[in-house]
Amino acid sequence: GAGVSQSPSNKVTEKGKDVELRCDPISGHTALYWYRQSLGQGLEFLIYFQGNSAPDKSGLPSDRFSAERTGGSVSTLTIQRTQQEDSAVYLCASSLVRLAGGSGNEQFFGPGTRLTVL
Amino acid sequence: AQTVTQSQPEMSVQEAETVTLSCTYDTSENNYYLFWYKQPPSRQMILVIRQEAYKQQNATENRFSVNFQKAAKSFSLKISDSQLGDTAMYFCAFTITQGGSEKLVFGKGTKLTVNP
Repeated sequence: GAGVSQSPSNKVTEKGKDVELRCDPISGHTALYWYRQSLGQGLEFLIYFQGNSAPDKSGLPSDRFSAERTGGSVSTLTIQRTQQEDSAVYLCASSLVRLAGGSGNEQFFGPGTRLTVL
Repeated sequence: AQTVTQSQPEMSVQEAETVTLSCTYDTSENNYYLFWYKQPPSRQMILVIRQEAYKQQNATENRFSVNFQKAAKSFSLKISDSQLGDTAMYFCAFTITQGGSEKLVFGKGTKLTVNP
């Protein structure tokens, strides 16, 4: 019944370490998006899931970034060998499935994970 | 290029007054949707209003309304009777349909402060 949840709320890590960020979408939402919000910037698209598949990965900035989704529900964004420029707020959003031709369905956002790489 | 420009990094308004936030965009999409999202300090993005580009009628949602000028690619947000709770970052966005997704392209935001 609740909205989109994300964990952890905040993550501080050292440069070079791997991190995993988790997203729990709204039940029944088959579409899931990850965005990144750097300081003073708007949101930047990273990856899109429809069910468990990711037909659009065009926003992932490097091969250090990967994501998966299991059971058509929970998604995990993994950043390997973190760099200081990875510091940002990572936001997850879910929506109902997109109908053919586009539907403009509202994307419901989680509160985000603030990642700080020292 | 698919971009959104919000030319006002910061704005302020007195409580109960009206304020307009500007947004222009550039897209090669024929069919798209436009959104205004609000982000308070809690970081939670909240949908304010949505506009379908093929509809000429401007969307309204209580105190919030838009002025959508498709030819000019302009999508401004008007907030009437501003309230202290309207203090937040406001982001303008539109959809790009690609690979089955309807990903959003966002502007850099306008920080709105409502003063008592």
